[in-house]
Amino acid sequence: QKEVEQNSGPLSVPEGAIASLNCTYSDRGSQSFFWYRQYSGKSPELIMSIYSNGDKEDGRFTAQLNKASQYVSLLIRDSQPSDSATYLCAVITGGFKTIFGAGTRLFVKA
Amino acid sequence: NAGVMQNPRHLVRRRGQEARLRCSPMKGHSHVYWYRQLPEEGLKFMVYLQKENIIDESGMPKERFSAEFPKEGPSILRIQQVVRGDSAAYFCASSISMAGSYNEQFFGPGTRLTVL
Repeated sequence: QKEVEQNSGPLSVPEGAIASLNCTYSDRGSQSFFWYRQYSGKSPELIMSIYSNGDKEDGRFTAQLNKASQYVSLLIRDSQPSDSATYLCAVITGGFKTIFGAGTRLFVKA
Repeated sequence: NAGVMQNPRHLVRRRGQEARLRCSPMKGHSHVYWYRQLPEEGLKFMVYLQKENIIDESGMPKERFSAEFPKEGPSILRIQQVVRGDSAAYFCASSISMAGSYNEQFFGPGTRLTVL
């Protein structure tokens, strides 16, 4: 089992819809969770961080964390074509190592 | 611009040469991380450094690769005797304090290394 797993996609949603991105992790001692967006040929850009169970909202983005289920998700409301990118889930494990998932490619159709 | 700086942005080396990649963290950040990304793949952790200390190098190949973050100046990732398989994007990130302390990592633009 990979330490951080994401569906590779591509996930295709129409403009204006909600995009839902999921991530599971294996280390129960993990405390910090992040979502990054990466456009092709560019560096990762931090979108959200979440540390406690529940939801955290920032503009059109909502991160959800469930430590019991070892699951973290990112919802993008009112998706725009400019949201088309690869979304990377990152987890800082109990051993203080940062592990990235392989990423989910999102395509928002205009 | 107080962001993470990396140079060079593109580096071409022939097999057997040395590659030296530099990273200046964001102002106020004292923790630096290096990652490697192969085409169409995720980011792979290589090494985590503080000023003058290597905290975790478990992701870095034991041979040919080394990293440092001196008291003064940028962090340097050195790859000796490069091979074609070293061709990748190398990203540096920095954080204000240590990983795990609820601190976010911010990435530089990366160095694209091509080995001919």
